[in-house]
Amino acid sequence: EIVMTQFPATLSVSPGERATLSCRASQSVSSNLAWYQQKPGQAPRLLIYGASTRATGIPARFSGSGSGTEFTLTISSLQSEDFAVYYCQQYDNWPPWTFGQGTKVEIK
Amino acid sequence: EVQLVESGGGLVQPGGSLRLSCAASGFTFIGYSMNWVRQAPGKGLEWVSYISSRSRTIYYADSVEGRFTISRDDAKNSLYLQMNSLGVEDTAVYYCVRRSNSWDFDYWGQGTLVTVSS
Repeated sequence: EIVMTQFPATLSVSPGERATLSCRASQSVSSNLAWYQQKPGQAPRLLIYGASTRATGIPARFSGSGSGTEFTLTISSLQSEDFAVYYCQQYDNWPPWTFGQGTKVEIK
Repeated sequence: EVQLVESGGGLVQPGGSLRLSCAASGFTFIGYSMNWVRQAPGKGLEWVSYISSRSRTIYYADSVEGRFTISRDDAKNSLYLQMNSLGVEDTAVYYCVRRSNSWDFDYWGQGTLVTVSS
């Protein structure tokens, strides 16, 4: 089973600032990596797939990079609606499909 | 518009059973693989089960293998999860999730809460 590790667990950022979230896989997942955003009381929403491709309707301030075992989600200028929990997920080697434990982006 | 609507959650005693349903609309259901993903209160996401299009391939997480059964009715555009021998550790919101043609999980239902408690 591939273990996904996200860091930091919590990121405190001021509106308008840049946020950088990291995700590491215990073995290579190539570019088969997705990022999801989850707001309180809501279902997760797909943000990025293929490590760097934005899903339909996702603003350009969200960008993903990386391949192999190291991945990054960057939010270039945080808006109020971006404060949420973000999960990475690998879909390279399955089952099981595995998620990171999440990074909470909170208002500084 | 793709919609996934779960139902069937509720309070059940340890050792009991529950059947979750997911009604799909807005896409050609028969052509897509589907999943159940759960989230315990205050915790992260855990993949539970997968069923391919036309039910050819089925997988389960180790934590539910032998207790849960996934199925689908393509004529009714519906996905199901039969959960038996429920334990308190199964308490979670259960999401119905579509696997996209790019293999990520592109659409999620709003979830249904299952609470296992005496």
